[in-house]
Amino acid sequence: AQSVTQLDSHVSVSEGTPVLLRCNYSSSYSPSLFWYVQHPNKGLQLLLKYTSAATLVKGINGFEAEFKKSETSFHLTKPSAHMSDAAEYFCVVRTDILTGGGNKLTFGTGTQLKVEL
Amino acid sequence: EPEVTQTPSHQVTQMGQEVILRCVPISNHLYFYWYRQILGQKVEFLVSFYNNEISEKSEIFDDQFSVERPDGSNFTLKIRSTKLEDSAMYFCASSETRTSAGELFFGEGSRLTVL
Repeated sequence: AQSVTQLDSHVSVSEGTPVLLRCNYSSSYSPSLFWYVQHPNKGLQLLLKYTSAATLVKGINGFEAEFKKSETSFHLTKPSAHMSDAAEYFCVVRTDILTGGGNKLTFGTGTQLKVEL
Repeated sequence: EPEVTQTPSHQVTQMGQEVILRCVPISNHLYFYWYRQILGQKVEFLVSFYNNEISEKSEIFDDQFSVERPDGSNFTLKIRSTKLEDSAMYFCASSETRTSAGELFFGEGSRLTVL
């Protein structure tokens, strides 16, 4: 069975400082991993995805994540936080159907990012 | 930019009533999904739909739930007899393909409140 664990339910940073949102995954097969963001009263927007290509993945709005198989981690980072980054972030795993997995997404519990002046 | 649209944005209903949540997926997408998020809990998969039939469903998706694509554009989720525990935000999503390269595009959600 596949799952993701987001280690922090809330993260608070100052504007202009780095962001680190942590995620560990568990999957029996080669996983596809995603980070989604949800701004208040908005839908879920894809930030970036890992699908067994380059392990360092760049996404929108300056975010990036690194897939580390040895650590089963897929942490999300950004060098410099902006006020507009304040939102809830979800780490998501989908088992690759080509290796026998399903097609559904399994979400983490989310990390609420607060950005202060 | 194409987007998934959902209606209504918020619905309040009495326990035992039927509810239909509507979604218009992105026009060239072939795979459709419903997810839900109970307040304070994880986003959970409900069902996926392709070629006019359910391709996968979770244990949550019991006989009270059904999905339909009644015409070429709408994708609906029906809850036949709502329960208090059905109160949640329901997200519709669509994708062009099923492969790992296929991104799911989500709508803004329909908040269902069952009284």
